[in-house]
Amino acid sequence: AQSVTQPDIHITVSEGASLELRCNYSYGATPYLFWYVQSPGQGLQLLLKYFSGDTLVQGIKGFEAEFKRSQSSFNLRKPSVHWSDAAEYFCAVGVVSGTYKYIFGTGTRLKVLA
Amino acid sequence: NAGVTQTPKFQVLKTGQSMTLQCAQDMNHEYMSWYRQDPGMGLRLIHYSVGAGITDQGEVPNGYNVSRSTTEDFPLRLLSAAPSQTSVYFCASSYGASSYNEQFFGPGTRLTVL
Repeated sequence: AQSVTQPDIHITVSEGASLELRCNYSYGATPYLFWYVQSPGQGLQLLLKYFSGDTLVQGIKGFEAEFKRSQSSFNLRKPSVHWSDAAEYFCAVGVVSGTYKYIFGTGTRLKVLA
Repeated sequence: NAGVTQTPKFQVLKTGQSMTLQCAQDMNHEYMSWYRQDPGMGLRLIHYSVGAGITDQGEVPNGYNVSRSTTEDFPLRLLSAAPSQTSVYFCASSYGASSYNEQFFGPGTRLTVL
């Protein structure tokens, strides 16, 4: 069955520190992968996506993610976190299984310490 | 463009009542979907549509109905509200009937069932 796992429910980092949010997926074919960010009380906004080509993907707000097929992972990174990055982050996979749909992970809530 | 709009923003229902959550998009997107977001469970797909007149069930469809008579609108109906349906509901749309395109999310509807 297709699934997305985000093993870290909460992460706390200091402002200026580096960040890595983990995402693992289970899917039998080449996945379409997404990272979304949700600020409190808001809908989700796309940070970046991967569906082919270069496995290192650049997104908005200084985020990047690397697709590693051998590890079934699509981890999100940022070299220096800003206080405004505090939010919830969701990894998602787009699947084709008779029809088209998206499966989301359970999310990682990021707290940034001043 | 207004993007994806949802009404109402907040709603309180009593057990057994019915209601319709409205969702509209003005981007001429074929794909539309409804998710519910619950703490610790991320976003779970309720129903989705790949075009007018075509709908399908997602992961948690019980207790909900949808229809897609136009490209723009995708209402979600709660037939007989239950406390387990207390949640935040998000509508999303994307271009094309595929799962490799970015989804655009509405601001959400916070529903409480007493």
